[in-house]
Amino acid sequence: IQLTQSPSFLSASLGDRVSITCRASQAISSRLAWYHQKPGKAPKLLIYAASTLQSGVPSRFSGSGSGTEFTLTISSLQPEDFATYYCQQFNSYPFTFGPGTKVDIK
Amino acid sequence: QVQLVESGGGVVQPGGSLRLSCAASGFTFTGYGMHWVRQAPGKGLEWVAFIRFDGSNECYSDSVKGRFTISRDNSKYTLYLQLNSLRAEDTAVYFCGRDWHGSGIDYWGQGTLVTVSS
Repeated sequence: IQLTQSPSFLSASLGDRVSITCRASQAISSRLAWYHQKPGKAPKLLIYAASTLQSGVPSRFSGSGSGTEFTLTISSLQPEDFATYYCQQFNSYPFTFGPGTKVDIK
Repeated sequence: QVQLVESGGGVVQPGGSLRLSCAASGFTFTGYGMHWVRQAPGKGLEWVAFIRFDGSNECYSDSVKGRFTISRDNSKYTLYLQLNSLRAEDTAVYFCGRDWHGSGIDYWGQGTLVTVSS
């Protein structure tokens, strides 16, 4: 299963609402997770099962979608949110990642 | 608190071998599946392998199948990745991670760098 993400790069300002799309090459039900990663650090799980917020993750993050199209939304961008975002499918092996979306400061 | 600490990375020649370890603490290791994920310099994340909580099943990405072996010693709370027939394209930071209900990877180690170069 191939995952694509759009956009590849996103420039935004503090307080902006941003959305990232992840598309799967075949239906994966709701078997999708979202992470963000800062340079030199390990990824952090934000959302699993497409829309379930991981414990401790701020509520400004939300996920939606099922089947082949999924969206991660950040309702109001904060300084700590500038990072690269990845989706990953858990529907079938191999558990592929998307190519990433870098969120940068405008 | 949950901790995952990788070790064993280093510089190895093409065709060589290396064994990575991931020491787990702060949780009941025997209750969780575990993953290896890698990241080549400046590139995105690539899922490498998964092993069930009891070691009864493993699966691999196509790029490493037949060359890498994931294993675990539950008595030592340690996950392993045996890397054989290494290639330049295997150069990456290798992360271990804890499986969260087959739906995500909720805890990650800090990563260990493997460099394949002559």
